[in-house]
Amino acid sequence: SQTIHQWPATLVQPVGSPLSLECTVEGTSNPNLYWYRQAAGRGLQLLFYSVGIGQISSEVPQNLSASRPQDRQFILSSKKLLLSDSGFYLCAFTLGRQNTEAFFGQGTRLTVV
Amino acid sequence: GESVGLHLPTLSVQEGDNSIINCAYSNSASDYFIWYKQESGKGPQFIIDIRSNMDKRQGQRVTVLLNKTVKHLSLQIAATQPGDSAVYFCAENRAGGYSTLTFGKGTMLLVSP
Repeated sequence: SQTIHQWPATLVQPVGSPLSLECTVEGTSNPNLYWYRQAAGRGLQLLFYSVGIGQISSEVPQNLSASRPQDRQFILSSKKLLLSDSGFYLCAFTLGRQNTEAFFGQGTRLTVV
Repeated sequence: GESVGLHLPTLSVQEGDNSIINCAYSNSASDYFIWYKQESGKGPQFIIDIRSNMDKRQGQRVTVLLNKTVKHLSLQIAATQPGDSAVYFCAENRAGGYSTLTFGKGTMLLVSP
């Protein structure tokens, strides 16, 4: 069966510091990969998605970037964090092009101080 | 995005009652819909899905109803239990897309014993 791993679970970073969150998927190949952000008490906002290695689509222009160096690895990065980058970040994947559910990681709670 | 910027509405019910959570989706071209349950500090988990060629689908204690005329989706939970307390999100997937899900605002369900 497919699994998704996301780390770290929590992170406290100072303003202006870099960020790297990693997500890996196991048990499948060529998944579609996604990064979502969730502010406290809010809904889910799609940040990036990828349909293949090196292919990244950005949904919302911002201080963040994403990369997919390997088929089942998705990385969310920032060169300089802002206070507004605080939130709950979720990695997810779907299988193939057909309409299927998204499977989510357990999330990373990022606090920028 | 639609899911960002608003506090979550809350539905409070007594244990044993039936709960109905509603969702209005945005795109008439969407052909696949999912309900997710998100417990505090965790990633969303799949509950039930429905395709646009159906208007009702039942699972274990849950039923999803789809009204395409008014672009409305509902989740019914029978005999609600305290363990059902969570935030519930609907998600839609546009036809022909790469399974990029657009999430609704979410509803917090609070179940009192």
